[in-house]
Amino acid sequence: ETGVTQSPTHLIKTRGQQVTLRCSSQSGHNTVSWYQQALGQGPQFIFQYYREEENGRGNFPPRFSGLQFPNYSSELNVNALELDDSALYLCASSLNRGASYNSPLHFGNGTRLTVT
Amino acid sequence: KNEVEQSPQNLTAQEGEFITINCSYSVGISALHWLQQHPGGGIVSLFMLSSGKKKHGRLIATINIQEKHSSLHITASHPRDSAVYICAASGGGADGLTFGKGTHLIIQP
Repeated sequence: ETGVTQSPTHLIKTRGQQVTLRCSSQSGHNTVSWYQQALGQGPQFIFQYYREEENGRGNFPPRFSGLQFPNYSSELNVNALELDDSALYLCASSLNRGASYNSPLHFGNGTRLTVT
Repeated sequence: KNEVEQSPQNLTAQEGEFITINCSYSVGISALHWLQQHPGGGIVSLFMLSSGKKKHGRLIATINIQEKHSSLHITASHPRDSAVYICAASGGGADGLTFGKGTHLIIQP
């Protein structure tokens, strides 16, 4: 089975630009969640997608958006980048059934975004 | 909103020592995750538990639902255990995990 892969691994953008980060879920997983981890902090939940629909969101503004595709791969898009968006972005996939979201998570290695 | 606190923030120990990392949370949960993060960022899921105790190799995780507290223990610690250990609470709904800030563990040979 293939693990969770994220691309790119590193990215440098300028304030005001837009960025797209990609995540390929572990085979068979139908749920993907995205997290932002600032340096020295724990990750913060951005949002979660289940079967191509966003079904949960943390305290992030609308300029953070996402997509989940039929093959369950996913994108995180951030518009109008700000300096504080510099962080490690992690995605995690899991296999969930029904209304329960308590399944082991499989994380990618993250994309480190630097906004200058 | 759940608040997740970990202690200690930093821990340095000698090889072979028994290690305990603590995690407390403020609101009832359906599951508690223990994660390991190495330099460079990759996160590995160690345990997901909702009651009692789980063991995997030298790692043991316990949870006390009534006290809203969980512990991660490492027996016979080794330098390769050096990493950041993070606990994360799940309410069971689609609102993701709430993470602690992590415990930075260094095991010296």
